[in-house]
Amino acid sequence: AQKITQTQPGMFVQEKEAVTLDCTYDTSDPSYGLFWYKQPSSGEMIFLIYQGSYDQQNATEGRYSLNFQKARKSANLVISASQLGDSAMYFCAMRELYGGSQGNLIFGKGTKLSVKP
Amino acid sequence: DGGITQSPKYLFRKEGQNVTLSCEQNLNHDAMYWYRQDPGQGLRLIYYSQIVNDFQKGDIAEGYSVSREKKESFPLTVTSAQKNPTAFYLCASSITAVHTDTQYFGPGTRLTVL
Repeated sequence: AQKITQTQPGMFVQEKEAVTLDCTYDTSDPSYGLFWYKQPSSGEMIFLIYQGSYDQQNATEGRYSLNFQKARKSANLVISASQLGDSAMYFCAMRELYGGSQGNLIFGKGTKLSVKP
Repeated sequence: DGGITQSPKYLFRKEGQNVTLSCEQNLNHDAMYWYRQDPGQGLRLIYYSQIVNDFQKGDIAEGYSVSREKKESFPLTVTSAQKNPTAFYLCASSITAVHTDTQYFGPGTRLTVL
């Protein structure tokens, strides 16, 4: 079974509007971290936001927020006021405390976001 | 400025050759990682190192080798035993290997086998 599922291969959003990128995860570890990264066409992976499994509040970083629903095992990324520069691939990732992958980052397959002017 | 550098940006290799990808960080991070990315896919872990002179295999270590002689450097060698080495390679580092520490990435090296 996939550990990280991103069901939207591609999405479009109008400039200045908000957009939600979906991410669901699968783990039985008591402690884990959830991460979102942005990958523009240049290839570099840019860290956006982090949510710990024990965090009570949803994480926010500027225009990025994470809608964390622990019981549903979802960690959706919300980008407010989209900009043309937000066009990129977005990856959801997880690190587990006792994870089978030596506790290191497990990535989803990504969502390609395109912002329309 | 602190960061992670990778060189070269593009690398071409003939079949049967070993090549070494460089990764350097000046963030004073203990842990370093190598990932591989294939088109349309997420990243897969090749090797990681929690501390100097120590490293462990990731999910797809076959055909690769690493060393960690200095805290700042974690070079990756793609050997001739790697059957399909054409891919985008990303190096990352984190303060420690604790699962809640954020990994920061370098700009990547695109390897093509001719």
